[in-house]
Amino acid sequence: EVQLVESGGGLVQPGGSLRLSCAASGFIFSNYWMSWVRQAPGKGLEWVANVEQDVSKNHYVDSVKGRFTISRDNAKNSLYLQMTSLRAEDTALYYCARVRTDISARDFWGQGTLVTVSS
Amino acid sequence: DIQMTQSPSSLSASVGDRVTITCRASQSVRNYLNWFQQKPGKAPKLLIYLASSLQGGVPSRFSGSGSGTDFTLTISSLQPEDFATYYCQQSYNTPPTFGQGTKLEIK
Repeated sequence: EVQLVESGGGLVQPGGSLRLSCAASGFIFSNYWMSWVRQAPGKGLEWVANVEQDVSKNHYVDSVKGRFTISRDNAKNSLYLQMTSLRAEDTALYYCARVRTDISARDFWGQGTLVTVSS
Repeated sequence: DIQMTQSPSSLSASVGDRVTITCRASQSVRNYLNWFQQKPGKAPKLLIYLASSLQGGVPSRFSGSGSGTDFTLTISSLQPEDFATYYCQQSYNTPPTFGQGTKLEIK
């Protein structure tokens, strides 16, 4: 059974940093692109970043470029999102999702971890 | 960025009704269009990929159609568990973008 379990969320002050983790199981993690997608409270879904199987290839939404870094450790079946210079508008539930490139879709999602940026 | 616009934003319907949700892209996305269902407090669930292909385990009352800029999600006979928010999403180019969502409520 595919499982994605996020952790690392919490309350952080504006300008602060946080590192999110996503533990994957039930599939060959190294074979898949992975994504982070976020959802602000009461709002819609916003893609944040992708990482390809090769950790050196990644993509970001413009609003987080230079502040967030997506990475992965295929030996640990884990996905990460290092977030720095956090802003109030980064407050959201952050989901990790598996990407099926053959069907161009995020087919499994974790339950999310909540990041709140507030003083 | 490609803008995705769903209509309606909200919809009231009854069990057994046939429901259609529309999604329009600001430019052609060919058939790179996915539909997700999200229930309160839950993660999104993939229903339809590549505009019309049903994800495994999804009931056949769900169907998708369209290509280019105009797409539809149809639920042929609403069931109680179908009341949720539905999102379309284009995967034609980066950044992948979502519609604003359509909240399907019980009449």
